[in-house]
Order: sequence, then structure tokens, then C-alpha cells
Amino acid sequence: ELKVEQNPLFLSMQEGKNYTIYCNYSTTSDRLYWYRQDPGKSLESLFVLLSNGAVKQEGRLMASLDTKARLSTLHITAAVHDLSATYFCAVEGDSNYQLIWGAGTKLIIKP
Amino acid sequence: DAGVTQSPTHLIKTRGQQVTLRCSPKSGHDTVSWYQQALGQGPQFIFQYYEEEERQRGNFPDRFSGHQFPNYSSELNVNALLLGDSALYLCASSPSSYNEQFFGPGTRLTVL
Repeated sequence: ELKVEQNPLFLSMQEGKNYTIYCNYSTTSDRLYWYRQDPGKSLESLFVLLSNGAVKQEGRLMASLDTKARLSTLHITAAVHDLSATYFCAVEGDSNYQLIWGAGTKLIIKP
Repeated sequence: DAGVTQSPTHLIKTRGQQVTLRCSPKSGHDTVSWYQQALGQGPQFIFQYYEEEERQRGNFPDRFSGHQFPNYSSELNVNALLLGDSALYLCASSPSSYNEQFFGPGTRLTVL
């Protein structure tokens, strides 16, 4: 059974600090997705990582993928309050039709 | 360009009732997936529709059924509602050639 594990599940940090969220998965999939969800809202696509070594950056967020280690990271640089949200990673299942999701990392950034 | 739309926004039902949720995909997308998200958890895949057929199904009972129409819009039907069916139901659309899924605002279902 494909499993996707995120850690930490909860993270409280100060503005201006750097931190990394980790996403481990148990399949050989080479496609990984990061999404953001604000409280009571839907999911917003952040990054699509399609191959080993892929790195994408948008503002203070940078995502990378190591398919050999079955690991993706989401790095936050100089955090600001607006980045407070829950972040999910998702991996394609064996059939490539469904996404298998991590439990999410709730990020709170304090001024 | 309208994104993924869902209706209704909120719904309250009682146990044993039936419910139908609706979804219109993003323009240019022909694949629709449905997810259930319980409070504080990640989304759980229910099923995916493509070319008006259920292409894949997650670990959900037959009480959950769906349909896709020729214009690619989709419905999720849930029969014999249980308290545990209370959740946010998310619809996502994608082009058939690429699996990046774009989500609608969701329907919050409460079963009393």
C-alpha cells in the first residue's frame, strides 16, 4: 500500500526564520505535488515536481524532489505571516490516476 | 476563465438521506476527481471520471456513486448517509494528459 508521510505535522515558527517540511513516500512514483490549504478553504496547487532532482521556487517557497530517496522537501525562507496555512504533498498512485496525500503540515508563523 | 466550480457550498442532511453534489471542471479539462476531506486530515480519493466512465475508484463503499456528463461536468451521489460522511467534498479537474489537479471550493456536508 502506498503511503505518504509528512513531518512535522505541526510547526510554529517566528517570522524571518527558515524551515523545511519533509514528505516521504513508499512508491517509485516520480511525480509529486505540493498544495496549500487555508482554513475552511480549498486546495491551491503550489508545485508540480516531475522528475528526480527537480527543484522549483516561488517567492519564499522552494520544493525539491529526490526520487531515489523517495523524499521531497518544501523549504521556507525568511517566513512571513501570510505563509501560515496547511501544506500537503501528494504522490501519484500506481495507476497514475489518483493522488495519495500526506496528512498535511499545519504551519503557523508568528509575527 | 472560470476555475472549478462546485454546488452547493454547504449542505445539511440527516442520516439515511441521499445527497447529490455537483462539479463543473476548469475550461479545457476533461477529467474530474472527487475527494473526501475530514476535518484535520488530508483528502481521500473517492473516484475519477474520464470520458463519462469511472476510471478508478478509491476505498469507498458503493453508497458513493458518480456520473460524468458529455460537457465533462460531474455529480457525486451518496446514499444512506451516515454521520461519518460529514466532511468537505472536493472536486478536482485536470487535463487527461497531465495529472496536476485543480480544486474547486468544496461542498461542506453535515450529516445529523
